[in-house]
Amino acid sequence: ELKVEQNPLFLSMQEGKNYTIYCNYSTTSDRLYWYRQDPGKSLESLFVLLSNGAVKQEGRLMASLDTKARLSTLHITAAVHDLSATYFCAVGYGRNTPLVFGKGTRLSVIA
Amino acid sequence: DGGITQSPKYLFRKEGQNVTLSCEQNLNHDAMYWYRQDPGQGLRLIYYSQIVNDFQKGDIAEGYSVSREKKESFPLTVTSAQKNPTAFYLCASNQDRDNAYEQYFGPGTRLTVT
Repeated sequence: ELKVEQNPLFLSMQEGKNYTIYCNYSTTSDRLYWYRQDPGKSLESLFVLLSNGAVKQEGRLMASLDTKARLSTLHITAAVHDLSATYFCAVGYGRNTPLVFGKGTRLSVIA
Repeated sequence: DGGITQSPKYLFRKEGQNVTLSCEQNLNHDAMYWYRQDPGQGLRLIYYSQIVNDFQKGDIAEGYSVSREKKESFPLTVTSAQKNPTAFYLCASNQDRDNAYEQYFGPGTRLTVT
């Protein structure tokens, strides 16, 4: 069974601090996605990681992929309130097939 | 502008009525998907279609139906058989190519059934 597990599911962090969200998946894949969702809104694509060792950065967010460990991380640097949202990872298997989503990590950045 | 549109944004229905949610894309994508999201939860796959005139059931297809008569359109009907239809419905599409794997989501339809 294909499983994608994120942890933590809830994260409250102070502004200016660093933290990492983890995404483990059960079956080998070479594509991993990170999405952001604001309350009441749709999903916004953040990163698509396509190969082992891939690293992508956008502002205070950096995502990496280790296909051998079946692990992706989303690292938050010097958090700001605007990063408060729910973050989903998802794994792709095969072309033009549905993604398998984790349950999401609800991030709250507090002053 | 290329993208995915869903309509309506909000939909209210009485129990026992069928309702159809619209999803249109002008990205020339072959594959389209319907997901359901309940409050505070992740996404669950309802149906997907990889090509016109073909579609597959997802994890929670019971009480839903779809059609794919045109490449651009993938409407979802929530039937009266769906026991708990109140949820946020998201449509997505993609066209995987070498080194280009991006799945795009529409803005969603929030359905409330009373």
